[in-house]
Amino acid sequence: GAVVSQHPSRVICKSGTSVKIECRSLDFQATTMFWYRQFPKKSLMLMATSNEGSKATYEQGVEKDKFLINHASLTLSTLTVTSAHPEDSSFYICSAPFSGSHLNEQFFGPGTRLTVL
Amino acid sequence: GENVEQHPSTLSVQEGDSAVIKCTYSDSASNYFPWYKQELGKRPQLIIDIRSNVGEKKDQRIAVTLNKTAKHFSLHITETQPEDSAVYFCAASGWGGGNKLTFGTGTQLKVEL
Repeated sequence: GAVVSQHPSRVICKSGTSVKIECRSLDFQATTMFWYRQFPKKSLMLMATSNEGSKATYEQGVEKDKFLINHASLTLSTLTVTSAHPEDSSFYICSAPFSGSHLNEQFFGPGTRLTVL
Repeated sequence: GENVEQHPSTLSVQEGDSAVIKCTYSDSASNYFPWYKQELGKRPQLIIDIRSNVGEKKDQRIAVTLNKTAKHFSLHITETQPEDSAVYFCAASGWGGGNKLTFGTGTQLKVEL
């Protein structure tokens, strides 16, 4: 089946630093990947759509200069949280649609727990 | 854009009883409706999905129904077991939205012995 990995699984950083999160499709190519953020006991909120070879598409209210997305290859998308602050502490999850499966099905990474001190 | 509402937010049932979770969506162009189970600190796991050309789908103890006219869909779990306890999310997507998923607010299901 389609597998999506994320790295790191957990990160703790100081306020003001930048953190990079990687999302990889391990056994398939993904021209599109999605980044979600999930606060405790809340739903997954789409932050942006990562597009291989072009700029990411951000959802309303998401600061593109704070959450930098780079889709460097057909198997890798990165999310960089710049100048992180405690309110950025959250669970970040990526997903990728797998065209080998039926249409629209998304495969999720295991998530990255970010804690900003 | 798409808006998905989900009810109830919490649901407590006795082991062996049935559980029903309901969602409504706003975008008539949505054509794919998955349901996810998420355990604490884990990724969402797809448990069942349905497409707009189907009214009902069943997989063992889990079933989903879709009413396109009313724009609502429901998850039915029969013979609930303690291991069914988790948070369940409905979602909707469609070609018009670039396949991106819009999630419901989630339902905390607790199956009591």
